[in-house]
Amino acid sequence: GAVVSQHPSWVICKSGTSVKIECRSLDFQATTMFWYRQFPKQSLMLMATSNEGSKATYEQGVEKDKFLINHASLTLSTLTVTSAHPEDSSFYICSAAGTGDFYEQYFGPGTRLTVT
Amino acid sequence: QKEVEQNSGPLSVPEGAIASLNCTYSDRGSQSFFWYRQYSGKSPELIMFIYSNGDKEDGRFTAQLNKASQYVSLLIRDSQPSDSATYLCAVTSGGSYIPTFGRGTSLIVHP
Repeated sequence: GAVVSQHPSWVICKSGTSVKIECRSLDFQATTMFWYRQFPKQSLMLMATSNEGSKATYEQGVEKDKFLINHASLTLSTLTVTSAHPEDSSFYICSAAGTGDFYEQYFGPGTRLTVT
Repeated sequence: QKEVEQNSGPLSVPEGAIASLNCTYSDRGSQSFFWYRQYSGKSPELIMFIYSNGDKEDGRFTAQLNKASQYVSLLIRDSQPSDSATYLCAVTSGGSYIPTFGRGTSLIVHP
């Protein structure tokens, strides 16, 4: 149980284009989903928290107009990187909070984005 | 500011030994504590979580929580080369469900 999928697993795009990443909880309903970014050999950086049906809460320093998050249903959240630039190249990982009392997070497999 | 500290390592142990990974946290109101394993190039995987003082065992893994001393540890018995990974400690507190992650400890289990 508690499986989270992410699509695509890797993507290469040209500078200036937009990329959409999907995150799905496959066997449970996730009221809350999280989006992280991780650069090589660095720790996870929380970008935003999204709750179903409401606007995402972005961490300080994360541009909400550049990283568009939509959490339209209890099983799907999307992250769109708009007007991507090479510095946006990173490993993007979503997670979904479990339905237990402790809100343990289950992570998707991640999406490796390369912007050329 | 809530802080979660881990020694970055690497911690190197021989196969079959017990690996001990430690994590300290700054917020005395912390409530839930999580250990994740992250293989290189992969996303984190939840190993176990603990919320009460004492030990919690799951297979070869034991989480130990000491709220008075503000630390949580993860013991891995009979370590295997496949346990070689980065182990992340995460803590929630103050009624928030958003955890603070440590930077992780790299574990190397050599044959």
